[in-house]
Amino acid sequence: AQTVTQSQPEMSVQEAETVTLSCTYDTSESNYYLFWYKQPPSRQMILVIRQEAYKQQNATENRFSVNFQKAAKSFSLKISDSQLGDTAMYFCAFSYGGSQGNLIFGKGTKLSVKP
Amino acid sequence: KAGVTQTPRYLIKTRGQQVTLSCSPISGHRSVSWYQQTPGQGLQFLFEYFSETQRNKGNFPGRFSGRQFSNSRSEMNVSTLELGDSALYLCASSGGDRVVADTQYFGPGTRLTVL
Repeated sequence: AQTVTQSQPEMSVQEAETVTLSCTYDTSESNYYLFWYKQPPSRQMILVIRQEAYKQQNATENRFSVNFQKAAKSFSLKISDSQLGDTAMYFCAFSYGGSQGNLIFGKGTKLSVKP
Repeated sequence: KAGVTQTPRYLIKTRGQQVTLSCSPISGHRSVSWYQQTPGQGLQFLFEYFSETQRNKGNFPGRFSGRQFSNSRSEMNVSTLELGDSALYLCASSGGDRVVADTQYFGPGTRLTVL
């Protein structure tokens, strides 16, 4: 069975600083996909970044980047130049080809960006 | 493109009643997945519909059911409501490719409170 673990229930960071959120996963699948989703207090779940396991290059989206370590089954999210609007719950999620619409989520990390 | 929409946004029911929630996917998306989000259990997959057929199902009792219409809109139904069914119910849509795990895009959710 696939599992996703986020070991940091809460984190805080000062505005303009950099923060890294951790995520580890367990799977025997070879063709899989990893995601970070953000859920602000308004509750709308928003895709932050996506990584295909077959790609060695780490995904980047503006201030958001990942450190994907396939052998270690680690998928951390780095947020650079943190902004107040980054305050949210961040969920790491896993899916694999053929999983038919089933995203497996971690428990989430509550990130607070302080002015 | 319009995003995923869910109606109603908030719902209050009493134990024993039944409820129907609705989800309209992004135009062109054929897959709709449903998730239950609670503080204790986190995000859990309920089921996924693709082309009017349930393609995958999570570990929930038979009181939870769903369907999908020819225009890809989906409904989920919960019968004989229990207090533990109080949750945020999220709907997500994607293209539905069976091989590549499409990114899922989430709606704002329906907050169900069971009294």
